[in-house]
Amino acid sequence: GENVEQHPSTLSVQEGDSAVIKCTYSDSASNYFPWYKQELGKRPQLIIDIRSNVGEKKDQRIAVTLNKTAKHFSLHITETQPEDSAVYFCAASIRTGSARQLTFGSGTQLTVLP
Amino acid sequence: SQTIHQWPATLVQPVGSPLSLECTVEGTSNPNLYWYRQAAGRGLQLLFYSVGIGQISSEVPQNLSASRPQDRQFILSSKKLLLSDSGFYLCAFKGRDTEAFFGQGTRLTVV
Repeated sequence: GENVEQHPSTLSVQEGDSAVIKCTYSDSASNYFPWYKQELGKRPQLIIDIRSNVGEKKDQRIAVTLNKTAKHFSLHITETQPEDSAVYFCAASIRTGSARQLTFGSGTQLTVLP
Repeated sequence: SQTIHQWPATLVQPVGSPLSLECTVEGTSNPNLYWYRQAAGRGLQLLFYSVGIGQISSEVPQNLSASRPQDRQFILSSKKLLLSDSGFYLCAFKGRDTEAFFGQGTRLTVV
């Protein structure tokens, strides 16, 4: 099955700096890569996603890049703010039979220091 | 619009008691449905997924079971809870070519 590795597990940055979270996946058949943000005690919520036919996608301060050859994708947050502090999960989606499974990375606890 | 409802939000159960967590989805048909567990400070572990009524796939052997009696209903159960079953349980659905949407989660504490 698919295996997704995510690094780092914790990340602290100063407010205004950039944060980068990296993920690798194992199954070249994976073709959809969402990123979720989970605030303490709440449900994970999608913040950005990218499909395998696109190399980069940007939404305001958030961007995601995908390197299919190397099988890795990254989340970039610029001009970080304290409200960006949360756990971030990457995921890779692969079709298994008639199901489309999401395999999640282990999460990154991002702390933005004021 | 698509919505997902999961209940209860919190639950405290004694060891050996049964468990039933319910999840329902609105605004979509024939979704893929998922149960995840998240231990404190840890990642999302896929427990079960379902592609249709009565079709359940288990990702890890455990003390839990799942059922899908209706297209948009997914139930997580246990006959006898263990202390190790404590955690944050999340139901999710995924339609065709859409991202996964999560329920609010159930924080289960087994005492």
